[in-house]
Amino acid sequence: AQTVTQSQPEMSVQEAETVTLSCTYDTSENNYYLFWYKQPPSRQMILVIRQEAYKQQNATENRFSVNFQKAAKSFSLKISDSQLGDTAMYFCAFMKRTGAGSYQLTFGKGTKLSVIP
Amino acid sequence: KAGVTQTPRYLIKTRGQQVTLSCSPISGHRSVSWYQQTPGQGLQFLFEYFSETQRNKGNFPGRFSGRQFSNSRSEMNVSTLELGDSALYLCASSFAGESTDTQYFGPGTRLTVL
Repeated sequence: AQTVTQSQPEMSVQEAETVTLSCTYDTSENNYYLFWYKQPPSRQMILVIRQEAYKQQNATENRFSVNFQKAAKSFSLKISDSQLGDTAMYFCAFMKRTGAGSYQLTFGKGTKLSVIP
Repeated sequence: KAGVTQTPRYLIKTRGQQVTLSCSPISGHRSVSWYQQTPGQGLQFLFEYFSETQRNKGNFPGRFSGRQFSNSRSEMNVSTLELGDSALYLCASSFAGESTDTQYFGPGTRLTVL
């Protein structure tokens, strides 16, 4: 079974600064996907960024980028120029395809990020 | 394109009752997955439906069931509610393509069991 570990339960960052959220995972699979989702106080789960394990290039989405280290099974999220709207719970998630063709997300416990004005 | 919708948004039930939650996926998405979110256990996978068939099931008791209709809309049912079933229930839809399957979430249904 896959496990996803987020070692930082809470973090804070000053507005306009950069912050990095850590995530490690454990799997014996070779083909999988990794995601970061954010869940603001509204509780709506929002996709932030996605990384395919077979791609060496790190994914980027505007101010959000990842550092994917496949051998180390590490998948950190960097948020640049932090904004007040980035305040949320951030979840790292692992996805693989099952034998039945289904895809299942396994989530970490989350990191609560607060952006301070 | 409209996002994933879930109804109702909030629900209060008493122990022993049953409840049905509904999820309408993004237009064109064929797969619907359900997750339970609690403060103690975090986000846990319940089940996934594709073409009206359950393809995958998490480690939940048989009181938790679901189904999917021909228009891809899905319902989940919890019978004989227990206090521990109080949670945010999230539905996610995906296109279910061969090479990738990014899941997009609805706003959730907050279930409170008294």
